[in-house]
Amino acid sequence: AQSVTQLGSHVSVSEGALVLLRCNYSSSVPPYLFWYVQYPNQGLQLLLKYTSAATLVKGINGFEAEFKKSETSFHLTKPSAHMSDAAEYFCAVTVNTNAGKSTFGDGTTLTVKP
Amino acid sequence: DTGVSQNPRHKITKRGQNVTFRCDPISEHNRLYWYRQTLGQGPEFLTYFQNEAQLEKSRLLSDRFSAERPKGSFSTLEIQRTEQGDSAMYLCASSAHKETQYFGPGTRLLVL
Repeated sequence: AQSVTQLGSHVSVSEGALVLLRCNYSSSVPPYLFWYVQYPNQGLQLLLKYTSAATLVKGINGFEAEFKKSETSFHLTKPSAHMSDAAEYFCAVTVNTNAGKSTFGDGTTLTVKP
Repeated sequence: DTGVSQNPRHKITKRGQNVTFRCDPISEHNRLYWYRQTLGQGPEFLTYFQNEAQLEKSRLLSDRFSAERPKGSFSTLEIQRTEQGDSAMYLCASSAHKETQYFGPGTRLLVL
């Protein structure tokens, strides 16, 4: 079985500051890893994904994440926060089974201060 | 590509009533997933279809819940005899293969 832990349910940064959202996963087989963003009353939008190719993954809106197998981590970063980045972020893991269902973390709410 | 659509976007019902939600996946996506999301938590897997076959169901899906995908295109999720604990956002996702799921906007259910 797979699981995801997102460290820090709330993260607050100033506009222009580095964004770092932490995600650790547990999986008995090589995983696929995802970051999604969710704005209020909306569905999930895919930011980026790791599918066993390059360990440093670049996504939309300037976000990137690095897969570190030794640390079982997939932290999300952005060099400079923008006000529009304020949202909830979810890390998810999928294993290469027939179903391909995803297991999500509980989310991290990002607040960006002016 | 119009994305995954879900209807209705919001539903308010009284306890004990039945509700049905619809999901239209991205065209030609053969996989369709239902998730439930409660406040402060990430989505939880409910069930999965490949074409018209329902291949996996979570234990979260009690016998009051039923999902169908009759022609391998759109899907419906029905909840019978709703309870206040059913209040949540119900998310649908579709994919063309195992890797990447594309989510709809969700249906927010409130059971009074």
